[in-house]
Amino acid sequence: GESVGLHLPTLSVQEGDNSIINCAYSNSASDYFIWYKQESGKGPQFIIDIRSNMDKRQGQRVTVLLNKTVKHLSLQIAATQPGDSAVYFCAEARTDSWGKLQFGAGTQVVVTP
Amino acid sequence: DTGVSQDPRHKITKRGQNVTFRCDPISEHNRLYWYRQTLGQGPEFLTYFQNEAQLEKSRLLSDRFSAERPKGSFSTLEIQRTEQGDSAMYLCASSAGTGANVLTFGAGSRLTVL
Repeated sequence: GESVGLHLPTLSVQEGDNSIINCAYSNSASDYFIWYKQESGKGPQFIIDIRSNMDKRQGQRVTVLLNKTVKHLSLQIAATQPGDSAVYFCAEARTDSWGKLQFGAGTQVVVTP
Repeated sequence: DTGVSQDPRHKITKRGQNVTFRCDPISEHNRLYWYRQTLGQGPEFLTYFQNEAQLEKSRLLSDRFSAERPKGSFSTLEIQRTEQGDSAMYLCASSAGTGANVLTFGAGSRLTVL
């Protein structure tokens, strides 16, 4: 079946460097994509989203890029901080199915001093 | 408002027992969702409510699972005759409704079935 997945299970980043987390999706009907951050013992926390009519969206220290040609999504975190250490999930959805998100498996980001 | 609240945070039970989890969404949100998350995996959709109406159920939601939202506010998720495979984190989320896909998740209720 169609699914969302991640390329790297663990990403180790030095404090102050930029992080890039990648995600592949295969459901061409998906038109909405979201990144969530999950810290240990907590629920997923919304970071940023992007609709399929866009290819880039920026937030505070984060940028999401969407490449529909190759069905690829990435999250860039600028100047990574220790508080960015967490598991990051991409999720896809369809606008005719609001709130029914399909999550990937997650990438563990470890920020080292 | 303190966000989405879930109770209990952790439940340990023996196989065959029934368990119930409660979720209190953000007060102005009319949509409520239940997801299940196993270790090392992303959350999986179980079901959602628009006000008190349960609009969709995943095939993951076997007949041992039942969810309710009787007054369109809090929701309960009951698992009957628990099995070891039910061990997981049960996450509740809420959103402001159609066109607002940003789900706000609670901290989850972790179930351990012995």
